Order: sequence, then C-alpha cells, then structure tokens
Amino acid sequence: DTEVTQTPKHLVMGMTNKKSLKCEQHMGHRAMYWYKQKAKKPPELMFVYSYEKLSINESVPSRFSPECPNSSLLNLHLHALQPEDSALYLCASSRGQNTGELFFGEGSRLTVL
Amino acid sequence: EDQVTQSPEALRLQEGESSSLNCSYTVSGLRGLFWYRQDPGKGPEFLFTLYSAGEEKEKERLKATLTKKESFLHITAPKPEDSATYLCAVQDYKLYGGSQGNLIFGKGTKLSVKP
Repeated sequence: DTEVTQTPKHLVMGMTNKKSLKCEQHMGHRAMYWYKQKAKKPPELMFVYSYEKLSINESVPSRFSPECPNSSLLNLHLHALQPEDSALYLCASSRGQNTGELFFGEGSRLTVL
Repeated sequence: EDQVTQSPEALRLQEGESSSLNCSYTVSGLRGLFWYRQDPGKGPEFLFTLYSAGEEKEKERLKATLTKKESFLHITAPKPEDSATYLCAVQDYKLYGGSQGNLIFGKGTKLSVKP
C-alpha cells in the first residue's frame, strides 16, 4: 500500500468547472510534487514544494493552481481546463527536494469534457 | 542536452525467461540513476538508486547495474506479476539544487511476462 494518498481516484469535469485534487503523506517528507502523465509517456513535472514553499513551477498554465496548506498536504486546484489536460495526475513526496527517490501516490485520473 | 533512452520499448517474455532492460543516458555529471516500476493506472514505485559505475543493487528477481553510459535492469526467471512498465530516471549535478526539475525520465520499457 502506498503511503501517499490521493483523492479522488477519478474525476470528470467540464471546461467551466472548478475542482481540486488532494494529496496527503505522513512519512515526514519535506518535499512534495505534482506530476502529469499522459498515456504511454513518462511523468512530467509540474510543481515542487519544499518545506511548504513553492520552489519549482515548470511553466504550468495558470488554470492549474497548487497549494500546500501544511507539510502533509498538497492540493491542486483546477479551473477552466481544456480537454488536452485530461491525464493521470500524480502526487509524490520525498525526504528532501534534491533526492531522486520519490514516493508516488496512485494518481487521480482526470477527464475534461 | 540531458537525455535518457530506454530500450526496448516493449518486451514480451515467457515465465522463467531471463532478460535485460537498458537505460542509456547523457548528462553533464551523473548524480544518481533511479529505477521505478509502474503498473497500469498507478503511480510509479521506487525500486533502486545507483550512484557510481560498477554499483549493483538487487531485489528479488531484479538486479540493477550501472556503467558510465548506461544502466541495465536484469530480470531473472520472471513471473507474470513482474509485468509492468519500468522507468529509468537520472539526476544531473548541473540541475541539482537548482530551480529546474530534478529528474529526467526515460519513456519506459513495457514488460509483459506470459505464464
């Protein structure tokens, strides 16, 4: 069982909706990540939080808005998405930002109609 | 430019038929190479970290090795439950601690093991 929990597992939304993806970890990790993964492609980094501060934003469109309320929680707020944003959204955590040993959640499968 | 290339893209094996997956990389300076396993519709699961040429790591039927230009994931006597996509990722010293993304992922090798 993964120690990074993501909700919801599946989400269907229209282009005018506002929704959020949630991620929680209780491993005491100080870095948390959002990745986007399309079918048959590797994960693509979106955001990195280190010690609850946004440290990396990989030029992600503003319709994706991350939030880190505390060291255990990470949210991704979604607004006015496009059908091409449909993908598996993965949350991950690690002991620190500069390690390559990431612990991923099972992902949230997003479909934008 | 940093690059990670995995081969083959897909590999079909019979149960018990040993084989190897390849990950070749081009980086300014390798800080670490990481292997992950990903089941369909799930997040990647961390398997191994390799830091220097000659290093080897083992876990059950899997053994990862590293040279200065590539890494191999050897699978000995695979079972159907080993079927998954195996991802390789590298960490470049040039990017380490910087404001850019940390890991460079390859596209993966999809392994299918038939009983």
